[in-house]
Amino acid sequence: KAGVTQTPRYLIKTRGQQVTLSCSPISGHRSVSWYQQTPGQGLQFLFEYFSETQRNKGNFPGRFSGRQFSNSRSEMNVSTLELGDSALYLCASSLGTVRSNTEAFFGQGTRLTVV
Amino acid sequence: AQSVAQPEDQVNVAEGNPLTVKCTYSVSGNPYLFWYVQYPNRGLQFLLKYITGDNLVKGSYGFEAEFNKSQTSFHLKKPSALVSDSALYFCAVRPTGGGNKLTFGTGTQLKVEL
Repeated sequence: KAGVTQTPRYLIKTRGQQVTLSCSPISGHRSVSWYQQTPGQGLQFLFEYFSETQRNKGNFPGRFSGRQFSNSRSEMNVSTLELGDSALYLCASSLGTVRSNTEAFFGQGTRLTVV
Repeated sequence: AQSVAQPEDQVNVAEGNPLTVKCTYSVSGNPYLFWYVQYPNRGLQFLLKYITGDNLVKGSYGFEAEFNKSQTSFHLKKPSALVSDSALYFCAVRPTGGGNKLTFGTGTQLKVEL
């Protein structure tokens, strides 16, 4: 079974630009979550999508948005990039039903550097 | 709101010795608890989880964890450490019925030396 695939692996952007990151979950998984990892703040939850609907949202500004397609693939978008957005962005997929006790599987991450 | 504490930024242990990485949590209701490991420039790899049942949970690569409800702890253990176990370890909690939002601890860097 193929794992969670995130593209691109590395990205360099300029302040003020926008960026789109992509995540393909494990086949059959309907939940996709996004996390930001930085040395200062650690791992922080951004949002979760399940069956194309946002089910949970973390405490990030509106510049961070996401969506999920009918095939469960997900994208997250960051607009008006700031230097502080430099981070490793991790995507996690899971079966996702509310009462599911299954674990989440993570992709390799996208390393975003804002200059 | 749920939270996780990993009180040690770094744990050093000699190869062959037992290791423990500590984790305490706070959550409303019954928790789902997880341990993940991260190697440099990589994503998180699942090690083990506690859902219900036996307090001692066995996972990948010889790791196990002990759930203690009264102390709200979920410490990660391994009887005999390997140099290759050196990595960053994260404890995470997820409330039951709350979707898949994981709250992570700050991570513990494990260093296993010869």
